[in-house]
Amino acid sequence: EAGVAQSPRYKIIEKRQSVAFWCNPISGHATLYWYQQILGQGPKLLIQFQNNGVVDDSQLPKDRFSAERLKGVDSTLKIQPAKLEDSAVYLCASSLERGSGGADTQYFGPGTRLTVL
Amino acid sequence: AQSVTQLDSHVSVSEGTPVLLRCNYSSSYSPSLFWYVQHPNKGLQLLLKYTSAATLVKGINGFEAEFKKSETSFHLTKPSAHMSDAAEYFCVVSPFSSGSARQLTFGSGTQLTVLP
Repeated sequence: EAGVAQSPRYKIIEKRQSVAFWCNPISGHATLYWYQQILGQGPKLLIQFQNNGVVDDSQLPKDRFSAERLKGVDSTLKIQPAKLEDSAVYLCASSLERGSGGADTQYFGPGTRLTVL
Repeated sequence: AQSVTQLDSHVSVSEGTPVLLRCNYSSSYSPSLFWYVQHPNKGLQLLLKYTSAATLVKGINGFEAEFKKSETSFHLTKPSAHMSDAAEYFCVVSPFSSGSARQLTFGSGTQLTVLP
């Protein structure tokens, strides 16, 4: 079974530039998550999709971050404009979970390491 | 509200000796608890999860964890460390029972070093 795919693996940009990350979840997984992992910290959830609808985006800085999952499969996360403090690893995860409850596991991709100069 | 505290940011053990990574949690509900491992340049991998079925949970690669409600702890152990165990370990809590993977809150991580 193929895992969660993410690209690019690394990205270096200057502040105020824009950047986009792509994620392809495991086939058949209804739920997709984006996390931000700052160096030395655990991952923090940014946004959760179920199919193509947003379930939770309470921790997404909506003034500069946006995400979409148009056909309920792959997803993109965009930052515009980037700030120095956005330097982090951006992780995508997916799970089968289709509704409330359920004993599903989140499967994580390798992440995209973003450096903002 | 929920939170996770990993009591050690770094743990160093010799190969073949026991591993203990400590985790305390706080949750308003009957939580699900997980341990994830992160090797360099690789994705997070689930080691084990507590779903209220049994307080002692066995995971992959010889790891296990015991849920102690009275102590609000979920420490990770392994009887004998292997060099390949060197990685970062995250204790994770979900406010939903039955092992639900929703609304995960991660601890800050424990870096495990295994010395030859």
